[in-house]
Amino acid sequence: EVQVLDSGGGLVQPGGSLRLSCAASGFSFSNFAMSWVRQAPGKGLEWVSTISDDGVATYYADSVKGRFSISRDNSKNTVYLQMNSLRAEDTAVYFCAKAAGYTLGAYYFDYWGQGTLVTVSS
Amino acid sequence: QSVLTQPPSVSGAPGQRVTISCTGSSSNIGAGSDVHWYQRLPGTAPKLLIYGNSNRPSGVPDRLSGSKSGTSASLAITGLQAEDEADYYCQSYDSLSGGWVFGGGTKVTVL
Repeated sequence: EVQVLDSGGGLVQPGGSLRLSCAASGFSFSNFAMSWVRQAPGKGLEWVSTISDDGVATYYADSVKGRFSISRDNSKNTVYLQMNSLRAEDTAVYFCAKAAGYTLGAYYFDYWGQGTLVTVSS
Repeated sequence: QSVLTQPPSVSGAPGQRVTISCTGSSSNIGAGSDVHWYQRLPGTAPKLLIYGNSNRPSGVPDRLSGSKSGTSASLAITGLQAEDEADYYCQSYDSLSGGWVFGGGTKVTVL
């Protein structure tokens, strides 16, 4: 059974940092890209970042580029999202998701974590 | 302002058919990028309903179907049931931004 467990959310002040973790199991982790998607209160889903299966290629939404960094440890079946210079507008539930599909243009997210809440406030 | 445009809400009586549109542009759906659909119930993780424009994962009922044409796609739900009341999102890849994009979401209400 595929499981995706995201964690690490919490309350942080504007300008602060936080690192989210996502532990996955039930599939060959090193063969799949992984992503983070968020949903702010009252808003829709927003793609945040994706990392390739080998960790070489990373992709970011313009809204987080230069502030967030995605990484993975295939020996631990875990993906991370380092969030720096946090702003109030980063407040959201952050979901980790397994990516599927043969090409970038075909990627979709077939398994999701339960989400972890990040609140940026003073 | 989402790159993919969905109606904010649709509604129907039990047993009826509803469709949700997803309109993109030449840099995403029109460029050949696949469209995928998700259901989000309050307090739960998004669930994949349709991938690759029209494919259903195991366990998704055949009351749900997806299609794509030109720069648009749609999700149809036939035989509407109370359990279908949720938020639905389309998703694709946008070559202009170099990332993945979601529609703004559509709330389905069962009357």
